[in-house]
Amino acid sequence: ELKVEQNPLFLSMQEGKNYTIYCNYSTTSDRLYWYRQDPGKSLESLFVLLSNGAVKQEGRLMASLDTKARLSTLHITAAVHDLSATYFCAVEDDKIIFGKGTRLHILP
Amino acid sequence: DAGVIQSPRHEVTEMGQEVTLRCKPISGHDYLFWYRQTMMRGLELLIYFNNNVPIDDSGMPEDRFSAKMPNASFSTLKIQPSEPRDSAVYFCASSDGQGAWEKLFFGSGTQLSVL
Repeated sequence: ELKVEQNPLFLSMQEGKNYTIYCNYSTTSDRLYWYRQDPGKSLESLFVLLSNGAVKQEGRLMASLDTKARLSTLHITAAVHDLSATYFCAVEDDKIIFGKGTRLHILP
Repeated sequence: DAGVIQSPRHEVTEMGQEVTLRCKPISGHDYLFWYRQTMMRGLELLIYFNNNVPIDDSGMPEDRFSAKMPNASFSTLKIQPSEPRDSAVYFCASSDGQGAWEKLFFGSGTQLSVL
């Protein structure tokens, strides 16, 4: 059974700092997704990573995929308060399975 | 496009009652997914359809849950009878499945409270 584990599950950080969220998974999939969810809202797609070594960047967020290590990272550079949200990684096997999410709280 | 449309946004019902959640996927999307989100379990995939046909319903928790997709623009998730432990946010999502799943487009969700 496919397992997707994120860590940390909760992160509180100061504005301006850098940090990384990790997503480990148990299958050999090379398709991984990152989503953002604001409190009380739906999920919004951030990145689609479709091969080993894939790297995508959008503003202060950068996602990468290492299929050999079965690991994806979401790196936050110089965090700002607007990035406060819950971030989910999801892995595609024969279906798409989500991690538990990382609740990110950025302090002004 | 209006995106994935779910109704109702909120549903409060009493234990034992039938609940029907509705979803209209994005036009042209061949895949439709139902997820359930709770604090304890996170996002769980309940069932997904391809071209209106249920492909994998292994996530449906019990026989009390059923889902249908009578046509490409409409799906329902029904719980009968409902129980307090069914309280959760239920999301519908669709994708065009071009080559891979690519990304899912989520609806706004239905917040279900079973008293």
